Amino acid sequence: DSGVTQTPKHLITATGQRVTLRCSPRSGDLSVYWYQQSLDQGLQFLIQYYNGEERAKGNILERFSAQQFPDLHSELNLSSLELGDSALYFCASTPSPLGSTDTQYFGPGTRLTVL
Amino acid sequence: AQKITQTQPGMFVQEKEAVTLDCTYDTSDPSYGLFWYKQPSSGEMIFLIYQGSYDQQNATEGRYSLNFQKARKSANLVISASQLGDSAMYFCAMRESSSGGSYIPTFGRGTSLIVHP
Repeated sequence: DSGVTQTPKHLITATGQRVTLRCSPRSGDLSVYWYQQSLDQGLQFLIQYYNGEERAKGNILERFSAQQFPDLHSELNLSSLELGDSALYFCASTPSPLGSTDTQYFGPGTRLTVL
Repeated sequence: AQKITQTQPGMFVQEKEAVTLDCTYDTSDPSYGLFWYKQPSSGEMIFLIYQGSYDQQNATEGRYSLNFQKARKSANLVISASQLGDSAMYFCAMRESSSGGSYIPTFGRGTSLIVHP
């Protein structure tokens, strides 16, 4: 158990809908990262937050947005869902936002299926 | 261009044997970190081992060791005494700095390891 929690574990929805994925980082970790893992794209970095502020952006679509709240949990909002958004979405956390040495601990993931 | 290359889509190893999973990387950043993660069929990503670009010695964590050859830009994972529970996908990842000063992670496409009894 990494200490990072994600809910829900599974999510099935229809095209055009909007969903929210939730992540709670490890105790004491201030930085949260979101990833998307799909068969064709592999594991793609989406976005990073540190202590409530956006810190780095990766291959995140405009239909997707995220935020980190004062209690440090983070939410990833996916809207106007398409079939291609079906993937495993991971959250990871680290104590600090900077430094190449920080080990990211991953949550169990949310499997999103868009029908 | 691929920043992390894992050339072996699949590997097979006999139980109790050692296996090496290849990873090469591309960066011009002098400060970077290299990581290996394991993803079993249950889906979670499990951190295995870390190597910093300035580390002089190869990292080791139990049965895992990282064969770091900086000049060749390779960071191969060696698993000794393979166990059936080692069957999983293995991902090599690199973190290097971005213009914003935060370290952006890049993952390889993974290697599927199957351990035979």
